[in-house]
Amino acid sequence: NAGVTQTPKFQVLKTGQSMTLQCAQDMNHEYMSWYRQDPGMGLRLIHYSVGAGITDQGEVPNGYNVSRSTTEDFPLRLLSAAPSQTSVYFCASSYSSGQDNSPLHFGNGTRLTVT
Amino acid sequence: GDSVTQMEGPVTLSEEAFLTINCTYTATGYPSLFWYVQYPGEGLQLLLKATKADDKGSNKGFEATYRKETTSFHLEKGSVQVSDSAVYFCALSPNTGNQFYFGTGTSLTVIP
Repeated sequence: NAGVTQTPKFQVLKTGQSMTLQCAQDMNHEYMSWYRQDPGMGLRLIHYSVGAGITDQGEVPNGYNVSRSTTEDFPLRLLSAAPSQTSVYFCASSYSSGQDNSPLHFGNGTRLTVT
Repeated sequence: GDSVTQMEGPVTLSEEAFLTINCTYTATGYPSLFWYVQYPGEGLQLLLKATKADDKGSNKGFEATYRKETTSFHLEKGSVQVSDSAVYFCALSPNTGNQFYFGTGTSLTVIP
């Protein structure tokens, strides 16, 4: 039972480079989301999706793009990496949005360093 | 807006000590409340949840009671073990909207 799978686990980028963080889930969850985790700041929501073809911004969306072409996949794109984007990124999914009390299921994270 | 505040860490306890991690929230209506645990190098895992006032969530010896009158959801365990060393996050899910809100996390270290 794979759950939520994130790749890569680690990545080092130079300022200005672009990359895509991959996230896939095999639980047929409608809701998917991306968080970043920084020391002393907890988890902050970047973008989320309530179903295929639907995305919306969270608390800290600047510098990131997402798309949701399938139920299973929710990639996060960094268009031009900046040192401020050095962080640990988590993808999380849920059966639906929080309205039915479904908990989030998390991947194991991607640790990104931008130099 | 909705938010969660939890006690600052880090917390260091001896094995078999009593644990309390405080969590208070601000939300309109009746949110669902959660505690998540993060072990080193891993993602967050659901520890327990409560969906309405006076509900008690419990799992692996941990408990938390949804107190609407004090807007709190404190995590407790009567006797901690070394294997409980982790970071604990309090979170809420509003009954409207599509976002979850997390506290900043409390790091717990249990020493033998």
